[in-house]
Amino acid sequence: SQTIHQWPATLVQPVGSPLSLECTVEGTSNPNLYWYRQAAGRGLQLLFYSVGIGQISSEVPQNLSASRPQDRQFILSSKKLLLSDSGFYLCAWSLAGGSRETQYFGPGTRLLVL
Amino acid sequence: LAKTTQPISMDSYEGQEVNITCSHNNIATNDYITWYQQFPSQGPRFIIQGYKTKVTNEVASLFIPADRKSSTLSLPRVSLSDTAVYYCLVGDRAGRRALTFGSGTRLQVQP
Repeated sequence: SQTIHQWPATLVQPVGSPLSLECTVEGTSNPNLYWYRQAAGRGLQLLFYSVGIGQISSEVPQNLSASRPQDRQFILSSKKLLLSDSGFYLCAWSLAGGSRETQYFGPGTRLLVL
Repeated sequence: LAKTTQPISMDSYEGQEVNITCSHNNIATNDYITWYQQFPSQGPRFIIQGYKTKVTNEVASLFIPADRKSSTLSLPRVSLSDTAVYYCLVGDRAGRRALTFGSGTRLQVQP
């Protein structure tokens, strides 16, 4: 069966510090991978998605970036965090191809920027 | 990109059936309709997916009329643990773009 991992679970960072959140998927090959952010009490905002190694599409311009160095690894980064980067970050995967898109979400990382 | 409209919130009592309707007037021919459930501090969880008519699984039923411009998620005999946010999404996908989550419907189940 497939599993998706995210770490860390919780993170408190000062403004201006760098960020690196990691997501890995097990049990599947060549998945589509996604990064979402959810502000408190709000819906999910898609940040990045990837259909393959080194292929990243950005949905929202901001000070965040994403990389996919390996097939089942997706990393969300920032060189300098802003207060507005606080939120709940979710990684998700889906099967590549096909006409039915079901996304499976990780446990999330709660980021607080102070 | 098909946009969805759902009620912001709903209230119910334990043991009742809950129906949450989603409007998606611009749904495309290849789009499927998918519902997710999200508890606080957790990622959304897939509930059910359908294309037309009716789909039922062990958790819920999904009713889709012939014109597919709306869909209704039906939760039979809800319990307190069904208190969550429910998202309706439409999409066709095959790697070109990702699904878009709206604000969802916040369901509060009372004892």
